[in-house]
Amino acid sequence: EAGVTQSPRYAVLQEGQAVSFWCDPISGHDTLYWYQQPRDQGPQLLVYFRDEAVIDNSQLPSDRFSAVRPKGTNSTLKIQSAKQGDTATYLCASSLGLNTEVFFGKGTRLTVV
Amino acid sequence: SQLAEENLWALSVHEGESVTVNCSYKTSITALQWYRQKSGEGPAQLILIRSNEREKRNGRLRATLDTSSQSSSLSITATRCEDTAVYFCATVASSGSWQLIFGSGTQLTVMP
Repeated sequence: EAGVTQSPRYAVLQEGQAVSFWCDPISGHDTLYWYQQPRDQGPQLLVYFRDEAVIDNSQLPSDRFSAVRPKGTNSTLKIQSAKQGDTATYLCASSLGLNTEVFFGKGTRLTVV
Repeated sequence: SQLAEENLWALSVHEGESVTVNCSYKTSITALQWYRQKSGEGPAQLILIRSNEREKRNGRLRATLDTSSQSSSLSITATRCEDTAVYFCATVASSGSWQLIFGSGTQLTVMP
Protein backbone atom coordinates (compact mmCIF):
# COMPACT_ATOMS: atom_id res chain seq x y z
CA GLU A 1 0.00 0.00 0.00
CA ALA A 2 1.28 3.46 -0.87
CA GLY A 3 2.28 5.75 1.95
CA VAL A 4 1.63 9.45 2.21
CA THR A 5 2.52 11.11 -1.09
CA GLN A 6 3.59 14.72 -1.41
CA SER A 7 4.47 16.90 -4.36
CA PRO A 8 6.55 18.66 -5.36
CA ARG A 9 9.62 17.37 -3.49
CA TYR A 10 11.47 20.65 -3.85
CA ALA A 11 10.51 24.27 -4.53
CA VAL A 12 12.60 27.42 -4.85
CA LEU A 13 10.84 30.78 -4.81
CA GLN A 14 11.65 34.42 -4.66
CA GLU A 15 10.11 36.42 -1.83
CA GLY A 16 6.59 37.47 -2.69
CA GLN A 17 5.81 34.48 -4.87
CA ALA A 18 3.06 31.97 -4.12
CA VAL A 19 3.36 28.20 -3.91
CA SER A 20 1.06 25.23 -3.34
CA PHE A 21 1.90 21.87 -1.85
CA TRP A 22 -0.19 18.79 -2.49
CA CYS A 23 -0.72 15.76 -0.26
CA ASP A 24 -2.35 12.40 -0.84
CA PRO A 25 -2.80 10.61 2.52
CA ILE A 26 -2.98 6.89 3.11
CA SER A 27 -6.28 5.58 1.82
CA GLY A 28 -8.91 5.46 4.55
CA HIS A 29 -7.08 7.79 6.94
CA ASP A 30 -9.55 10.35 8.21
CA THR A 31 -7.02 12.65 9.90
CA LEU A 32 -4.52 14.70 7.93
CA TYR A 33 -1.82 17.00 9.27
CA TRP A 34 0.49 19.63 7.84
CA TYR A 35 3.76 20.28 9.66
CA GLN A 36 6.53 22.81 9.09
CA GLN A 37 10.06 21.64 9.85
CA PRO A 38 12.76 24.33 9.80
CA ARG A 39 16.31 23.08 9.31
CA ASP A 40 17.73 21.33 12.39
CA GLN A 41 14.41 21.52 14.26
CA GLY A 42 11.55 19.18 14.96
CA PRO A 43 8.29 19.35 12.99
CA GLN A 44 5.78 21.94 14.17
CA LEU A 45 2.08 21.45 13.55
CA LEU A 46 0.44 24.02 11.28
CA VAL A 47 -3.04 22.58 10.85
CA TYR A 48 -4.93 19.33 11.00
CA PHE A 49 -8.18 18.01 9.55
CA ARG A 50 -10.67 15.35 10.49
CA ASP A 51 -12.23 14.42 7.18
CA GLU A 52 -12.87 17.77 5.45
CA ALA A 53 -13.16 19.81 8.65
CA VAL A 54 -10.33 21.90 10.08
CA ILE A 55 -9.89 20.83 13.71
CA ASP A 56 -7.02 23.13 14.68
CA ASN A 57 -5.36 25.81 12.59
CA SER A 58 -4.19 27.98 15.46
CA GLN A 59 -0.53 27.67 14.39
CA LEU A 60 -1.20 28.51 10.76
CA PRO A 61 -0.10 32.06 9.81
CA SER A 62 -3.53 32.95 8.49
CA ASP A 63 -2.50 36.05 6.61
CA ARG A 64 -0.41 34.11 4.11
CA PHE A 65 -1.03 30.40 4.65
CA SER A 66 -4.17 28.45 3.80
CA ALA A 67 -5.02 24.76 3.77
CA VAL A 68 -7.98 22.85 2.41
CA ARG A 69 -9.15 19.28 2.26
CA PRO A 70 -12.41 19.65 0.33
CA LYS A 71 -13.46 15.99 -0.04
CA GLY A 72 -11.77 14.65 3.06
CA THR A 73 -9.04 12.96 1.05
CA ASN A 74 -6.29 14.98 -0.67
CA SER A 75 -5.16 18.29 0.74
CA THR A 76 -3.44 21.44 -0.49
CA LEU A 77 -1.35 23.86 1.55
CA LYS A 78 -0.80 27.24 -0.06
CA ILE A 79 1.57 30.04 0.84
CA GLN A 80 0.79 33.44 -0.59
CA SER A 81 3.62 35.97 -0.78
CA ALA A 82 6.36 33.74 0.59
CA LYS A 83 9.02 35.13 2.95
CA GLN A 84 12.57 33.94 3.59
CA GLY A 85 11.44 32.81 7.03
CA ASP A 86 9.14 30.27 5.35
CA THR A 87 12.19 28.31 4.23
CA ALA A 88 11.61 24.83 5.67
CA THR A 89 10.42 21.35 4.84
CA TYR A 90 6.65 21.00 4.77
CA LEU A 91 5.48 17.59 5.90
CA CYS A 92 2.09 16.04 5.40
CA ALA A 93 0.98 13.18 7.61
CA SER A 94 -2.11 11.08 8.11
CA SER A 95 -3.60 8.75 10.68
CA LEU A 96 -6.72 6.77 11.42
CA GLY A 97 -8.16 8.77 14.27
CA LEU A 98 -6.14 10.57 16.93
CA ASN A 99 -3.47 9.21 19.27
CA THR A 100 -2.65 6.44 16.84
CA GLU A 101 0.33 5.91 14.59
CA VAL A 102 0.95 8.92 12.37
CA PHE A 103 2.47 8.30 8.96
CA PHE A 104 4.54 11.05 7.36
CA GLY A 105 5.30 11.79 3.73
CA LYS A 106 8.80 12.64 2.53
CA GLY A 107 8.02 16.34 2.59
CA THR A 108 8.47 19.32 0.29
CA ARG A 109 11.68 21.25 0.83
CA LEU A 110 10.96 24.94 0.25
CA THR A 111 13.66 27.53 -0.18
CA VAL A 112 12.68 31.20 -0.38
CA VAL A 113 15.45 33.48 -1.63
CA SER B 1 9.61 27.32 24.22
CA GLN B 2 9.79 23.64 23.43
CA LEU B 3 7.45 21.46 25.47
CA ALA B 4 9.48 18.36 24.57
CA GLU B 5 13.24 18.31 24.34
CA GLU B 6 15.91 15.71 23.70
CA ASN B 7 18.87 16.18 25.97
CA LEU B 8 21.70 16.03 23.46
CA TRP B 9 22.15 17.47 19.97
CA ALA B 10 24.30 14.62 18.72
CA LEU B 11 25.66 11.20 19.63
CA SER B 12 28.15 8.93 17.90
CA VAL B 13 28.66 5.22 18.52
CA HIS B 14 30.30 2.33 16.74
CA GLU B 15 28.28 -0.44 15.17
CA GLY B 16 27.26 -3.06 17.70
CA GLU B 17 27.31 -0.70 20.67
CA SER B 18 24.22 0.34 22.61
CA VAL B 19 23.02 3.92 22.88
CA THR B 20 20.36 5.83 24.81
CA VAL B 21 18.63 9.05 23.81
CA ASN B 22 16.89 10.97 26.57
CA CYS B 23 13.95 13.34 26.44
CA SER B 24 12.31 15.66 28.95
CA TYR B 25 8.95 17.34 28.64
CA LYS B 26 7.04 20.06 30.42
CA THR B 27 3.35 19.23 30.30
CA SER B 28 0.99 16.51 31.43
CA ILE B 29 0.72 13.95 28.64
CA THR B 30 -1.47 11.10 27.47
CA ALA B 31 1.31 9.52 25.44
CA LEU B 32 4.85 9.97 24.23
CA GLN B 33 6.12 8.82 20.86
CA TRP B 34 9.63 8.25 19.56
CA TYR B 35 10.33 8.95 15.91
CA ARG B 36 13.29 8.41 13.64
CA GLN B 37 13.97 10.63 10.64
CA LYS B 38 16.55 9.65 8.06
CA SER B 39 17.97 12.19 5.67
CA GLY B 40 15.49 13.17 2.96
CA GLU B 41 12.59 11.34 4.56
CA GLY B 42 9.73 12.14 6.87
CA PRO B 43 9.72 10.98 10.50
CA ALA B 44 8.76 7.36 11.11
CA GLN B 45 7.19 6.29 14.40
CA LEU B 46 9.24 3.80 16.40
CA ILE B 47 7.37 3.42 19.67
CA LEU B 48 4.24 4.89 21.22
CA ILE B 49 4.19 4.67 25.00
CA ARG B 50 1.07 5.74 26.88
CA SER B 51 1.12 7.61 30.18
CA ASN B 52 0.07 4.51 32.15
CA GLU B 53 2.95 2.46 30.71
CA ARG B 54 6.51 2.45 32.03
CA GLU B 55 8.29 0.54 29.30
CA LYS B 56 7.70 -0.53 25.71
CA ARG B 57 9.85 -2.62 23.41
CA ASN B 58 10.07 -2.97 19.67
CA GLY B 59 12.83 -5.32 18.53
CA ARG B 60 16.17 -3.69 19.40
CA LEU B 61 14.41 -0.61 20.73
CA ARG B 62 13.28 -0.02 24.29
CA ALA B 63 11.46 3.09 25.48
CA THR B 64 10.83 4.06 29.08
CA LEU B 65 8.54 6.70 30.50
CA ASP B 66 8.74 8.33 33.93
CA THR B 67 5.78 10.64 34.38
CA SER B 68 6.94 11.78 37.83
CA SER B 69 10.17 13.24 36.42
CA GLN B 70 8.57 14.00 33.03
CA SER B 71 11.25 12.16 31.15
CA SER B 72 11.63 9.34 28.66
CA SER B 73 14.46 7.39 27.15
CA LEU B 74 14.95 5.40 23.97
CA SER B 75 17.62 2.73 24.00
CA ILE B 76 18.93 0.97 20.93
CA THR B 77 20.96 -2.20 21.32
CA ALA B 78 23.32 -3.73 18.76
CA THR B 79 23.31 -0.56 16.67
CA ARG B 80 23.71 -0.73 12.91
CA CYS B 81 24.90 1.87 10.41
CA GLU B 82 21.32 2.15 9.15
CA ASP B 83 20.25 3.40 12.60
CA THR B 84 21.99 6.68 11.69
CA ALA B 85 19.22 9.28 11.82
CA VAL B 86 17.72 12.07 13.89
CA TYR B 87 15.65 10.78 16.80
CA PHE B 88 12.74 12.82 18.13
CA CYS B 89 10.47 12.45 21.08
CA ALA B 90 6.98 13.84 20.64
CA THR B 91 4.36 14.30 23.32
CA VAL B 92 0.59 14.33 23.21
CA ALA B 93 -0.77 16.72 25.83
CA SER B 94 -3.57 15.53 28.07
CA SER B 95 -5.51 18.78 27.76
CA GLY B 96 -6.35 21.19 25.02
CA SER B 97 -6.28 20.52 21.29
CA TRP B 98 -4.64 17.24 20.35
CA GLN B 99 -1.29 17.66 18.69
CA LEU B 100 2.13 16.09 18.66
CA ILE B 101 4.78 18.38 20.14
CA PHE B 102 8.20 17.40 18.82
CA GLY B 103 11.54 18.08 20.43
CA SER B 104 14.41 19.40 18.33
CA GLY B 105 15.94 15.96 17.91
CA THR B 106 19.19 14.12 18.57
CA GLN B 107 21.43 13.25 15.62
CA LEU B 108 22.71 9.70 16.09
CA THR B 109 25.61 8.58 13.94
CA VAL B 110 26.56 4.91 13.93
CA MET B 111 30.06 4.39 12.59
CA PRO B 112 31.33 1.14 11.07
